[in-house]
Amino acid sequence: EVQLLESGGVLVQPGGSLRLSCAASGFTFSSYAMSWVRQAPGKGLEWVSTISTSGGSTYSADSVKGRFPISRDNSKNTLYLQMNSLRAEDTAVYYCARDALGYYYFDYWGQGTLVTVSS
Amino acid sequence: EIVLTQSPGTLSLSPGERATLSCRASQSVSSSYLAWYQQKPGQAPRLLIYGASSRATGIPDRFSGSGSGTDFTLTISRLEPEDFAVYYCQQYSSSLTFGGGTKVEIK
Repeated sequence: EVQLLESGGVLVQPGGSLRLSCAASGFTFSSYAMSWVRQAPGKGLEWVSTISTSGGSTYSADSVKGRFPISRDNSKNTLYLQMNSLRAEDTAVYYCARDALGYYYFDYWGQGTLVTVSS
Repeated sequence: EIVLTQSPGTLSLSPGERATLSCRASQSVSSSYLAWYQQKPGQAPRLLIYGASSRATGIPDRFSGSGSGTDFTLTISRLEPEDFAVYYCQQYSSSLTFGGGTKVEIK
């Protein structure tokens, strides 16, 4: 059974930093691209970032480009999102999602972790 | 960036009725690279449809997707109580964007 378990969400002050983790199990992690998608309270879904199977290629939304590097450790079956220079508008539930093989839609999602940026 | 506009914003229907949800793209979505997701309160989204019309594993056949180019539709043939939720479309033709969602509520 595919499982994705996010962690690391907390209350952080504007300008602060945070690292989210997503532990994957139930599939060959190194064979799948992985992504982060966020959802602000009461709002819709927003794609944040995607990383290729090897980690050699990354893609990010303009809203987070240069602030939220995505990475992965295939030896630990774990996906990361380093969140820097946080802003109030980054407040959201952050979902880890598995990209379908060869395509950029999401066939499995974690339950999400809440990041709150507030002073 | 391809902007996806979903309509209506809210659909009020009774169990057993047919639901028709629209997703319109600001420019053509090539190769019908469009997916639909269902999200219930407090839960993660769930993949329903990919490639505009292919059902994901385990999705009942009352869910169907159609369309191409800039106009796509998700149809739920007969609403079951568990289908009342928010539905999102997503294109993966050019970068990735989501529509704003359609809430299907009980009338």
